[in-house]
Amino acid sequence: GENVEQHPSTLSVQEGDSAVIKCTYSDSASNYFPWYKQELGKRPQLIIDIRSNVGEKKDQRIAVTLNKTAKHFSLHITETQPEDSAVYFCAADPGSGDKLTFGTGTRLAVRP
Amino acid sequence: DAGVIQSPRHEVTEMGQEVTLRCKPISGHDYLFWYRQTMMRGLELLIYFNNNVPIDDSGMPEDRFSAKMPNASFSTLKIQPSEPRDSAVYFCASSLGGGRQPQHFGDGTRLSIL
Repeated sequence: GENVEQHPSTLSVQEGDSAVIKCTYSDSASNYFPWYKQELGKRPQLIIDIRSNVGEKKDQRIAVTLNKTAKHFSLHITETQPEDSAVYFCAADPGSGDKLTFGTGTRLAVRP
Repeated sequence: DAGVIQSPRHEVTEMGQEVTLRCKPISGHDYLFWYRQTMMRGLELLIYFNNNVPIDDSGMPEDRFSAKMPNASFSTLKIQPSEPRDSAVYFCASSLGGGRQPQHFGDGTRLSIL
């Protein structure tokens, strides 16, 4: 089955700096890669996703890049703000099924 | 639009009791997923349904766990008998089109088994 690895597990940045979270996946048939943000005590919420037919997607301060050859994708947050502090999860579809496999999460702390 | 609705939000019960968690997916969505989240194991998929039919229950930890979806607007996750190690946050999510479409999560049920 699909295996998704996520790094780093924790990340601390100064407000205004950029943050990058990386994920690798194992199933070359995967073609959907969402990112979820989970604030403390809240539900995971989709913040951006990318499909295998594109290499990069942006939405204001967040962007996701995908390298299908290397089987890795990354989340980039620019000009970080304290409200970006949360746990971020990457995920990938297994290619052969209807479910998502999630990474283990990255706890991002933005220092004011 | 109403999102995914879960109940109860919090449940505290004693070991050995039966626990029933409930979920109402977004109207029109054809996939429903049950997840368990713990610090140690992260977000784990327990079971998912497509058009009310269970497709993959390989994540259900033991026979003590069961899930049903009697119609398109309601699903239950039952634990009987409950054990302290079942303490976790249980999320329900729904999507239109399965794993290659956005999943929308409910607010979760925080379950504590004493």
